Amino acid sequence: DVKVTQSSRYLVKRTGEKVFLECVQDMDHENMFWYRQDPGLGLRLIYFSYDVKMKEKGDIPEGYSVSREKKERFSLILESASTNQTSMYLCASTFGGIYNEQFFGPGTRLTVL
Amino acid sequence: AQKITQTQPGMFVQEKEAVTLDCTYDTSDPSYGLFWYKQPSSGEMIFLIYQGSYDQQNATEGRYSLNFQKARKSANLVISASQLGDSAMYFCAMREGGFDGNKLSFGAGTTVTVRA
Repeated sequence: DVKVTQSSRYLVKRTGEKVFLECVQDMDHENMFWYRQDPGLGLRLIYFSYDVKMKEKGDIPEGYSVSREKKERFSLILESASTNQTSMYLCASTFGGIYNEQFFGPGTRLTVL
Repeated sequence: AQKITQTQPGMFVQEKEAVTLDCTYDTSDPSYGLFWYKQPSSGEMIFLIYQGSYDQQNATEGRYSLNFQKARKSANLVISASQLGDSAMYFCAMREGGFDGNKLSFGAGTTVTVRA
């Protein structure tokens, strides 16, 4: 079974803090993704990575950065958290090819106070 | 421009009845894949069904079927014989070809509530 794990289910941080969200997958997928999910907006892509040390901006990268030092791990970094980054964050991974579904982690609900 | 449009924010369905969730998409790429995911209140995204742009037949997976109308750019999900456990949010998503072909574009989702 494919497993995508995220470091926390719930996280509460203060404005201005640096926040790390970790994602690990165990299926040797080349591609990994970070999304944020907000009511009425669906899932929006923040960043994705198609290989180790490679990263590409998604639709809403402002205020975020990512790191992929190992194939199985993809980290999302909020350099200076702000209240408008309060959201559900979902990590996903997949093989290449349009026919392959993405496998998702359980999500991290981040609250920035 | 919105690539995936789901026009039904919420729906109620009686247990054992069928329900159709609408999804329209926008792409000029001849090669693409369409996906439906279910998200229960627990938050995990569960893959339900896939339809490729070149597939001749509509996809089916158990009680889920996809009504694919390519000319209308429509990929509606049909859930037959609804169960209480089908209550969840449902997302339609599209994956296009090319370098960006690993990305998924999601709709806003439809919340389904199944009534006993």
